[in-house]
Amino acid sequence: GAVVSQHPSRVICKSGTSVKIECRSLDFQATTMFWYRQFPKKSLMLMATSNEGSKATYEQGVEKDKFLINHASLTLSTLTVTSAHPEDSSFYICSAPRSTGLNEKLFFGSGTQLSVL
Amino acid sequence: GDSVTQMEGPVTLSEEAFLTINCTYTATGYPSLFWYVQYPGEGLQLLLKATKADDKGSNKGFEATYRKETTSFHLEKGSVQVSDSAVYFCALSSSSNTGKLIFGQGTTLQVKP
Repeated sequence: GAVVSQHPSRVICKSGTSVKIECRSLDFQATTMFWYRQFPKKSLMLMATSNEGSKATYEQGVEKDKFLINHASLTLSTLTVTSAHPEDSSFYICSAPRSTGLNEKLFFGSGTQLSVL
Repeated sequence: GDSVTQMEGPVTLSEEAFLTINCTYTATGYPSLFWYVQYPGEGLQLLLKATKADDKGSNKGFEATYRKETTSFHLEKGSVQVSDSAVYFCALSSSSNTGKLIFGQGTTLQVKP
């Protein structure tokens, strides 16, 4: 079963509204989570690294004030797209690393398709 | 910067056909290479990986060999099944931050009975 839950799977909103996407690690704690964005027929691009208890680390070119990330607990990270516009329409996906002994494996949520009208 | 290029899809095959999805990369140093698969309605799952040159990753009948000389990591399967229908992503990681993956654009595979 899924070990990382992402919600909602799909959201349609009006331009100017804010949208919150949640990413939960279901049976493990994640001090770090990652947020990606995928444009149609393009690669998944890392947007930011979410850190529990501290500020997120954003990749170059990602607007911090547009994409607010909050790592509220060891099992929850949220991405808020503020004042969304049609150009923010995209597929957003989160991931969390889980250590299993000496190895670390990355688990992904099922993604959120955001459509801004 | 580092990048990954995959063959464009969709790829449509009949059941039991041979599959190849090409993947080439550009990176400094010695990256780790991955193939992820996303089944409809599910999250990405790690399919296989290779961490150094000439390593072969394999899982569920899929294989990929890390070819440093051609900077490639092509995914192959000898006989595909309908259940293999999914989107396949090639990715690399060149840092100790395992979450900082650089992905290709994904290739959709559709297998028809």
